[in-house]
Amino acid sequence: AQKITQTQPGMFVQEKEAVTLDCTYDTSDPSYGLFWYKQPSSGEMIFLIYQGSYDQQNATEGRYSLNFQKARKSANLVISASQLGDSAMYFCAMREPAQTGANNLFFGTGTRLTVIP
Amino acid sequence: DADVTQTPRNRITKTGKRIMLECSQTKGHDRMYWYRQDPGLGLRLIYYSFDVKDINKGEISDGYSVSRQAQAKFSLSLESAIPNQTALYFCATSDLVAGTDTQYFGPGTRLTVL
Repeated sequence: AQKITQTQPGMFVQEKEAVTLDCTYDTSDPSYGLFWYKQPSSGEMIFLIYQGSYDQQNATEGRYSLNFQKARKSANLVISASQLGDSAMYFCAMREPAQTGANNLFFGTGTRLTVIP
Repeated sequence: DADVTQTPRNRITKTGKRIMLECSQTKGHDRMYWYRQDPGLGLRLIYYSFDVKDINKGEISDGYSVSRQAQAKFSLSLESAIPNQTALYFCATSDLVAGTDTQYFGPGTRLTVL
């Protein structure tokens, strides 16, 4: 079974509007972390935001916020006031403790966001 | 200067050649990782190392080997490259002490095996 599912291969948003990128995850471990990364066309992977499974409040980092719904196992990324520079691939990832004690990071397949002027 | 650097940034090689990709970091992190990214797929873990004496296989380690020469250096080798190893390779580092164990990535190495 997929540990991370991103069902939106591509999304479009008007500049200055908000957009939500979906992410659902699958784990039976009570302790896990959720991450979002941005990959612009230049290729690098940029860390955006983190949410721990025990965090009571949704994480926020500037224009990024994470809509964490634990019961639904969803961790959607909300980008407010979209900018042209937000056009990129966005990856959701989950870290859960493996049997070896390693904190493996599992990635979804990504969502390509295009911001329209 | 970038905290995590990878060399080379691009490499074209032929089937059967030995290739080494290098990663250096100035973040002072103990943990280092190698991933590959293929079109339409997310990143997949090849190897990881939690300190100089600790090396572990990831999801797709076959055909790869690694060396952790120092806390700041982690290299990935393809002993005999094959075309399906054509991919974008990322090195990453993390620090459990910080609490979240967030992984920070290098700029990537684009490898093409002909």
